[in-house]
Amino acid sequence: AQSVAQPEDQVNVAEGNPLTVKCTYSVSGNPYLFWYVQYPNRGLQFLLKYITGDNLVKGSYGFEAEFNKSQTSFHLKKPSALVSDSALYFCAVRDISDSGYALNFGKGTSLLVTP
Amino acid sequence: EAGVAQSPRYKIIEKRQSVAFWCNPISGHATLYWYQQILGQGPKLLIQFQNNGVVDDSQLPKDRFSAERLKGVDSTLKIQPAKLEDSAVYLCATGLSLYNEQFFGPGTRLTVL
Repeated sequence: AQSVAQPEDQVNVAEGNPLTVKCTYSVSGNPYLFWYVQYPNRGLQFLLKYITGDNLVKGSYGFEAEFNKSQTSFHLKKPSALVSDSALYFCAVRDISDSGYALNFGKGTSLLVTP
Repeated sequence: EAGVAQSPRYKIIEKRQSVAFWCNPISGHATLYWYQQILGQGPKLLIQFQNNGVVDDSQLPKDRFSAERLKGVDSTLKIQPAKLEDSAVYLCATGLSLYNEQFFGPGTRLTVL
């Protein structure tokens, strides 16, 4: 079985400050990990993924995420937040050994960046 | 490059009626997924296709939901008959393969009254 937890319903940060959106996962094998962002009335947009290799993954719009195997975490980060980053963020995981290939999404974290 | 297209964008029906959603994938994308996203939750996979074959439909309520991907391109998702709890956004996503990231369409917001 595989699952994702996003422990924070909402994250508030001031513009210009660093932001972190937390994600922890549970898989029986090795994980594929993804971050997606959803703006109001729009579909999900792919931000970044971790498959293998360097634990620090860089993605779109200045976002990055750090894979930590010992803590089973894949937190999303950005050094300097913008008001336009305000949106709903979803972490997703797929177990490489899972023949179903399905992505399991967390419940989402709402990010609010204030001017 | 054109994205994933979905129609309609919004649909309001009464319970026990039927409804169909359409998805046109990004050109060349072999995999296609239908997700249900209930308000306040993450997307939940309903069914996934590889070309025109079903890879996983274990989460699809087959007594009322059906989906097809004829010719391995466009796909339709149907609900017959609809229930109140089917009110959700239905998202279509496509990818180059089962190992690649998925690209999502704008979704169809279904309201069942």
